[in-house]
Amino acid sequence: GENVEQHPSTLSVQEGDSAVIKCTYSDSASNYFPWYKQELGKRPQLIIDIRSNVGEKKDQRIAVTLNKTAKHFSLHITETQPEDSAVYFCAASPLYFGNEKLTFGTGTRLTIIP
Amino acid sequence: DVKVTQSSRYLVKRTGEKVFLECVQDMDHENMFWYRQDPGLGLRLIYFSYDVKMKEKGDIPEGYSVSREKKERFSLILESASTNQTSMYLCASSLSKWGQFSNQPQHFGDGTRLSIL
Repeated sequence: GENVEQHPSTLSVQEGDSAVIKCTYSDSASNYFPWYKQELGKRPQLIIDIRSNVGEKKDQRIAVTLNKTAKHFSLHITETQPEDSAVYFCAASPLYFGNEKLTFGTGTRLTIIP
Repeated sequence: DVKVTQSSRYLVKRTGEKVFLECVQDMDHENMFWYRQDPGLGLRLIYFSYDVKMKEKGDIPEGYSVSREKKERFSLILESASTNQTSMYLCASSLSKWGQFSNQPQHFGDGTRLSIL
């Protein structure tokens, strides 16, 4: 089955600087890569996703890049703010018969230092 | 906006009890999922269902079963609770679309923090 590795497990960044979280996956059939943000005591929420027919996607301060050849994808957050402090999870999903089963990474705890 | 509702936020049960965790979604989604979340291990899939009365094992199904009698409701059952099942349980749902790039986002509930004593 799919295996997703996520690094680093913790990350501290000065407010205003950029943060990068990296994930690798094992199943070459994976074609959907979402990122979820989970604030303390709250549900995971989708912040951005990318499909295998696209190499990069941006949404304001957040961007995701995908390298299918190397089987890795990354989350980039620019101009970090205190509200970016949370746990971030990457995930990967192969498409089999229309059923989307996500495999998650182990999470990155991002702390923004004011 | 998609709403996924889990019946309890906190639950305390005893070893050996049969435990039911309920999840309801209001967006007519075909797919529903149960995960457990443990520190340092991320979210691990227990079971999922892509249609009424259909179920498939995830990565850690041992000690659990599920039921989906209606499209909007997906239940997780701990047949005989054990202390190693103390965890945060998250339910999610997603729309099912067929096609090459049909993966749809999963929407999560608030979670049930289950303690087995």
